[in-house]
Amino acid sequence: GAVVSQHPSRVICKSGTSVKIECRSLDFQATTMFWYRQFPKQSLMLMATSNEGSKATYEQGVEKDKFLINHASLTLSTLTVTSAHPEDSSFYICSATTGSYGYTFGSGTRLTVV
Amino acid sequence: GENVEQHPSTLSVQEGDSAVIKCTYSDSASNYFPWYKQELGKGPQLIIDIRSNVGEKKDQRIAVTLNKTAKHFSLHITETQPEDSAVYFCAASKSLGADGLTFGKGTHLIIQP
Repeated sequence: GAVVSQHPSRVICKSGTSVKIECRSLDFQATTMFWYRQFPKQSLMLMATSNEGSKATYEQGVEKDKFLINHASLTLSTLTVTSAHPEDSSFYICSATTGSYGYTFGSGTRLTVV
Repeated sequence: GENVEQHPSTLSVQEGDSAVIKCTYSDSASNYFPWYKQELGKGPQLIIDIRSNVGEKKDQRIAVTLNKTAKHFSLHITETQPEDSAVYFCAASKSLGADGLTFGKGTHLIIQP
């Protein structure tokens, strides 16, 4: 079945630094990748949609300069949280799709900014 | 944009009984409706999905029904087991693969032994 690998699973960083999260589709080429954010005991909120080689499309209210998304290949997308602050602490989850077979989610990254 | 409402927020059932979780959506253009199970600290796992040209789908103990007219879809789990305890999310998408998912707020399902 389709597998999406996300790394790191946990990261702690100091306020003001940047953090990069990787999302890889291991056994399929993903036409589109998505990034979600989930606060404790809340639902997943779509942050952005990215297609290989194109600029990401951000949802309303998501700062594109803070959450940089790069989708360099059909199997890799990265999310960089720039100048992180405590309010950016959250669970970040990526999802990938081929377009026909639904959405496969990564295992998530717990970001803690101290 | 799309809005997905999910009820109940918490559901406690006796082991072996059935559980039903209900969702409504607002955008009639939505045509793909998956259900996910999420365990603590992990990403969501697809358990079943349904497309708008189908009214019902079943996979062993799990079934999903869709009423397009009412913009309503439901998850049914029969013969519940302790390992079914988790948070369940419904979601909707207008274009499978091109659009992201709009999620409901989730249901914490508790299976009482």
